[in-house]
This record gives sequence, structure tokens and C-alpha cells, in this order.
Amino acid sequence: KAGVTQTPRYLIKTRGQQVTLSCSPISGHRSVSWYQQTPGQGLQFLFEYFSETQRNKGNFPGRFSGRQFSNSRSEMNVSTLELGDSALYLCASSLNWRAEAFFGQGTRLTVV
Amino acid sequence: KNEVEQSPQNLTAQEGEFITINCSYSVGISALHWLQQHPGGGIVSLFMLSSGKKKHGRLIATINIQEKHSSLHITASHPRDSAVYICAVRSEGNYQLIWGAGTKLIIKP
Repeated sequence: KAGVTQTPRYLIKTRGQQVTLSCSPISGHRSVSWYQQTPGQGLQFLFEYFSETQRNKGNFPGRFSGRQFSNSRSEMNVSTLELGDSALYLCASSLNWRAEAFFGQGTRLTVV
Repeated sequence: KNEVEQSPQNLTAQEGEFITINCSYSVGISALHWLQQHPGGGIVSLFMLSSGKKKHGRLIATINIQEKHSSLHITASHPRDSAVYICAVRSEGNYQLIWGAGTKLIIKP
């Protein structure tokens, strides 16, 4: 069974640009969560989707948005990138919001 | 005070030693996760616990719901166990994961 796949693995963008990250969950999983990890802040929750609906949202500005498609694949978008958005973005999938979460390898975003 | 506290923050030990990492939490939970993160970023789920004890190979995780405390033990530690170990709890209310800051473990040969 394939694991959680995040693309791309690495990304370099300049300030002011926008970026879209993709997460393909484990087959059959309907819940996808996104997290930002920075050295100073640790892991912080961005948002969670279940069956195409956003269930929860973390405390991030509106520049951070996401969506989930009918096949459970999810994308997150960050607009008007700032240097502080440089981080590892992790996606996790689970059968539902109560079940064990399985993580992807992450997308390392560098904003220059 | 953080809702999930891990200790120690950093731990260096010799190969073969018995390792204990602790996690205390202050919120009601439906489950507690232990995860491992190697340099490079990927996170691997080790255990999900809601009561008692689980064992997988040299790893043992325990949880005491009344005391709101969990421990991760590694027996016969090996340099390949070197990683950051993260405790996360799934809150009772909205089932959101709340993360500890992680414990950086280094096992020296």
C-alpha cells in the first residue's frame, strides 16, 4: 500500500510569489491534515480536511488556504510569500479524524 | 504553559542504554501518538495509544490516563535510533493533534 505522497519535495520561491503544495493520502483515507514545521516554532497545525470539507483551521493568516478533492487528494496554497514562510510543510492522512495519522516526507519550502 | 510537555529536550546516550522519554499533557484526549522524525524531515508514526501499553520491537509506549502522562522506552538503544521523538495528543473536543516540542535523541556507538 503506497504511503502519503507529497510533491514537490523541495521548492525555492521568491517573496511575493505564490505556491501550491500537493498531498496524496493513503488509499481509502479521507482525512488530510497540514502542518508547518519551523526550527523556532516546532510543528503547527494549519488545517484539516475530511471528505472535501475543512473541519479545523489553525491560527494562520488568510494567505494560507487549502482544499480537498473528491479523490481525497489535498492541496495547500500560500499566496504573497514571506521569508518567514520558509519551513517544512507536512501532510498527514488518516481514515478519519480519530484514527492514527500517517505522514508524508514533507515539502521543504525556501523563500528568498 | 504548553498543553503537551516533553522531557528531556535533548538526550545523549551510549549504544545499548535503556532510554526513556516522557510526555505530560493537560487537556482531555482521545488518543496519544508517539512519532519519530529523522533528519530530512519525514515523520513516522510509532504508536497510537489510548490506554495501557504497546510494544513494537525494542520500543515500548505506556500511558497513564489518570496522571495524563506517557512514556516512550527504547531498549538496547542503537545509533540508528538517533532522531527526534515527538509526542502528540488528539484532543477530546475537536480531535485536533496538539504537539510536544520533541526530544532530540543521539545514541553514540
